[in-house]
Amino acid sequence: DSGVTQTPKHLITATGQRVTLRCSPRSGDLSVYWYQQSLDQGLQFLIQYYNGEERAKGNILERFSAQQFPDLHSELNLSSLELGDSALYFCASSQGEGGYNEQFFGPGTRLTVL
Amino acid sequence: QKEVEQDPGPLSVPEGAIVSLNCTYSNSAFQYFMWYRQYSRKGPELLMYTYSSGNKEDGRFTAQVDKSSKYISLFIRDSQPSDSATYLCAMMSNSGYALNFGKGTSLLVTP
Repeated sequence: DSGVTQTPKHLITATGQRVTLRCSPRSGDLSVYWYQQSLDQGLQFLIQYYNGEERAKGNILERFSAQQFPDLHSELNLSSLELGDSALYFCASSQGEGGYNEQFFGPGTRLTVL
Repeated sequence: QKEVEQDPGPLSVPEGAIVSLNCTYSNSAFQYFMWYRQYSRKGPELLMYTYSSGNKEDGRFTAQVDKSSKYISLFIRDSQPSDSATYLCAMMSNSGYALNFGKGTSLLVTP
């Protein structure tokens, strides 16, 4: 158990809908990272927050947004969902700000868009 | 072309074999090199971490970085069925902001 929690574990929804994925980092970790994992693209970095501030952005679609709250938990919002958004979404956390810090991954949320 | 290339396998070996997993990369600025292990339906977990070039050993695992060839390797000695997982390489430059992952190699160690 990495200490990172993610809810829900599974999410099934329809195209055009909006969902929110939630992540609680390990105790003491200030950085939260969001990744998308699919069979064809592998693990892709989406966005990073450090102590409530956005620190880095990857190939995150405009339909996706995230935030980190004062208690350091984070939420990833996916809107206008398309079939291609079906994937595993992982949250990871680390103590430091740089992406080179050891990142601890949560168990993931499996999103299925029908 | 992706910055990090990794053969997806699957790779099947008998228990006790030496396993060699590899990644190639194109960005010569990469300095941080990592190997993550991902069991089915779980999140990745860090296995080995190397900065710059050279070798690092931890128990049955050895990580090697050859920056001149832009090639990294993970060796697993005396492989066990519990090593069956997907192994992902990841790397990053000093000026970078995020890890670049390979697509992962699926390993099956059969008893």
